[in-house]
Amino acid sequence: SQELEQSPQSLIVQEGKNLTINCTSSKTLYGLYWYKQKYGEGLIFLMMLQKGGEEKSHEKITAKLDEKKQQSSLHITASQPSHAGIYLCGAGASSNTGKLIFGQGTTLQVKP
Amino acid sequence: ETGVTQTPRHLVMGMTNKKSLKCEQHLGHNAMYWYKQSAKKPLELMFVYNFKEQTENNSVPSRFSPECPNSSHLFLHLHTLQPEDSALYLCASSREGSGNSPLHFGNGTRLTVT
Repeated sequence: SQELEQSPQSLIVQEGKNLTINCTSSKTLYGLYWYKQKYGEGLIFLMMLQKGGEEKSHEKITAKLDEKKQQSSLHITASQPSHAGIYLCGAGASSNTGKLIFGQGTTLQVKP
Repeated sequence: ETGVTQTPRHLVMGMTNKKSLKCEQHLGHNAMYWYKQSAKKPLELMFVYNFKEQTENNSVPSRFSPECPNSSHLFLHLHTLQPEDSALYLCASSREGSGNSPLHFGNGTRLTVT
């Protein structure tokens, strides 16, 4: 079965620093989603990538999907305390099904 | 304010109790989902409903019983649960259930089984 592996599992950065979170799949990705979660709350949708080589940005967050569609990265520029939380990648387990699987999450702390 | 509302936010129940979790979406979506989130484990998909029809049951024990009376409402009926069922239960919806549209999540119900 398909699995998503996120790295690192946790990250502590100083405010203003850049950081990258990676998501690697054991199989071809059919739609890759990035979410952010605050502890004990629901997931907030950040971005969706579908095409190999695709890159999207929103404010200071940029997500990329590699050409082979088996790895994605999330890059935060000039991190702020508001970026703190758990970042999760999710992907369709196969094409045209609603079965979305998730990585284990990356916990980000931003020190002021 | 989230377009997906879950009630209650917190629930404590004994192993012999029967309770239900409720989810309502105001986004006009046609697919709804139940996920379980346990500490230090990835989100686990439990059930998927597409146009009120169950399209996925991810080998969930029968002590969890879903109900989807219409595209806007989803319930999870609980009975004779075990302490290891304690977790955050998240409901989500999407425009359609093919995996080509993002999921929108509620804030979850924190369930504790004593």
